[in-house]
Amino acid sequence: GAGVSQSPRYKVAKRGQDVALRCDPISGHVSLFWYQQALGQGPEFLTYFQNEAQLDKSGLPSDRFFAERPEGSVSTLKIQRTQQEDSAVYLCASSKRQRRDNYGYTFGSGTRLTVV
Amino acid sequence: GNSVTQMEGPVTLSEEAFLTINCTYTATGYPSLFWYVQYPGEGLQLLLKATKADDKGSNKGFEATYRKETTSFHLEKGSVQVSDSAVYFCALRGVTDKLIFGTGTRLQVFP
Repeated sequence: GAGVSQSPRYKVAKRGQDVALRCDPISGHVSLFWYQQALGQGPEFLTYFQNEAQLDKSGLPSDRFFAERPEGSVSTLKIQRTQQEDSAVYLCASSKRQRRDNYGYTFGSGTRLTVV
Repeated sequence: GNSVTQMEGPVTLSEEAFLTINCTYTATGYPSLFWYVQYPGEGLQLLLKATKADDKGSNKGFEATYRKETTSFHLEKGSVQVSDSAVYFCALRGVTDKLIFGTGTRLQVFP
């Protein structure tokens, strides 16, 4: 597609519920990133894929967070047993190529997760 | 580790005023520097970038110069418009691919 597509746009989850957030990157983009943006804050890095390989997951806040990109295209961020502190906007970004290039990242509009 | 510090907002200006949003960074090596903008209800958009010292990024009347000696990348615009009202994020990319963002600065421009 023309841009990075994320779904759902909004998600309300009851505390303890599992959620799955989807990201469709721009076709052919090798790199894919997930970020978490709390209200009034800048985006915080969660994890990074190059094709299907998860190269960096150092930003995942706990083992309740899991991300996958099995075919090197669509990615899913899963949060198990959601807590109120998980409430945030989850942003996905993709990029054409990997390191040391001048390509920027294209961000999706995000999924706003509210845990009640 | 790498980090970005930018001035707190909101920044409130009248239309046609001069804008500066300060950004300083801490990084090892030679990071690339970016400004992203987030308009109300929309996703992050790349505004401009600079990949080496003394480079000037520019777009839509906005400019920022990569100053290694002062580790800064301040955003400027000579004459702001109401349509520039948004949240502006300074960011860097170091030796890894991930972007490190500042906390954002909200700009409000009034007619």
